[in-house]
Amino acid sequence: AQTVTQSQPEMSVQEAETVTLSCTYDTSESNYYLFWYKQPPSRQMILVIRQEAYKQQNATENRFSVNFQKAAKSFSLKISDSQLGDTAMYFCAFMKHGGGGADGLTFGKGTHLIIQP
Amino acid sequence: NAGVMQNPRHLVRRRGQEARLRCSPMKGHSHVYWYRQLPEEGLKFMVYLQKENIIDESGMPKERFSAEFPKEGPSILRIQQVVRGDSAAYFCASSAGQLFSYEQYFGPGTRLTVT
Repeated sequence: AQTVTQSQPEMSVQEAETVTLSCTYDTSESNYYLFWYKQPPSRQMILVIRQEAYKQQNATENRFSVNFQKAAKSFSLKISDSQLGDTAMYFCAFMKHGGGGADGLTFGKGTHLIIQP
Repeated sequence: NAGVMQNPRHLVRRRGQEARLRCSPMKGHSHVYWYRQLPEEGLKFMVYLQKENIIDESGMPKERFSAEFPKEGPSILRIQQVVRGDSAAYFCASSAGQLFSYEQYFGPGTRLTVT
């Protein structure tokens, strides 16, 4: 079974600053996906970024980028030039690749990110 | 709007009643996943279905919970004889198939409150 750990329950930064959210995971799988989801007060789950484990290059999506360290089983999210609209819960998630079994996502407990004006 | 639809958005049930939560996947999607989010927690996988077939129910509680995805109509998550501990947000997600499980699109969730 997989586990995902987010060790920062809450973080607060000033608008326009850069912030990094931490995530570690544990798995015996060699092929998998990692995700960061955002859940604003509306509670809608929004995919922020996805990383395939076989890809060495870190994924980026505009102001969002990840630092994927496969050997260390670490997957942090960096948000540059933070904006008030980034205030939300952020969840790190894992899914093994290839189907043929549980294709559900395994989520961490989340980090509540607050962007201060 | 071709997104994942869930209804109702809010559901209040007394202890012992039944709760039925509905999920209509995105157009063209034939696979549905149900997740439960308890207060202050991340989402936890419950069950994975394709039309007329349960693929994986390893996250479903053994009693009182069931899910179906009929050939026609939405997927239904059914909770019988609800208890206060069932109070949570229930999310469904859909994908175009098992090979596309990495692209799950989430609905807005149903918040169940048991009084």
